[in-house]
Amino acid sequence: DAGVIQSPRHEVTEMGQEVTLRCKPISGHNSLFWYRQTMMRGLELLIYFNNNVPIDDSGMPEDRFSAKMPNASFSTLKIQPSEPRDSAVYFCASSLAGILNQPQHFGDGTRLSIL
Amino acid sequence: AQSVTQLDSHVSVSEGTPVLLRCNYSSSYSPSLFWYVQHPNKGLQLLLKYTSAATLVKGINGFEAEFKKSETSFHLTKPSAHMSDAAEYFCVVSARVTGTASKLTFGTGTRLQVTL
Repeated sequence: DAGVIQSPRHEVTEMGQEVTLRCKPISGHNSLFWYRQTMMRGLELLIYFNNNVPIDDSGMPEDRFSAKMPNASFSTLKIQPSEPRDSAVYFCASSLAGILNQPQHFGDGTRLSIL
Repeated sequence: AQSVTQLDSHVSVSEGTPVLLRCNYSSSYSPSLFWYVQHPNKGLQLLLKYTSAATLVKGINGFEAEFKKSETSFHLTKPSAHMSDAAEYFCVVSARVTGTASKLTFGTGTRLQVTL
């Protein structure tokens, strides 16, 4: 049974470049979450979707960040332009909404380094 | 509003000795609580969950946690630590945000070190 799949696992790019992170949730899950993890701030929820619709994007740091979920099996998180302070590990998680308090299942993350 | 406090940022135990990772929560509703583990360079893995059934919850890898409403606690324990238990552990509380969608609030994590 495949878990949440994220790509790439590692990304190193120069400041100012566009970065796109990808996520494939577990089949059948209809809630999807994007998190960012840093030493200083811990785990932060950036945005989450329910049935492909963004429900709460209050955690998105600024307009340079955008997320889309064009269908139930794919989501992207884009940073344009990227800055060194965006360096972090970005996690995607999915869960089965419709049944309260189902646990979230996490991907292995994308380690992003902006030089 | 809800919050979760992990009382220790770092715990060190010897292999074969008991593990206790402490967590206190605050929630306006009857909470659902989870413990997740994160090994280096990996995502978070669910250890166990409490959702208002039995107050003593058993999870994977020999871990268990007891929900104590009077103390607003959900401490994680294991009778005998193994070297492979060395990781970061997160206590998490869940709240309903809309319909049946729920949102997680994470603790700041406890790093467990296991020594020989």
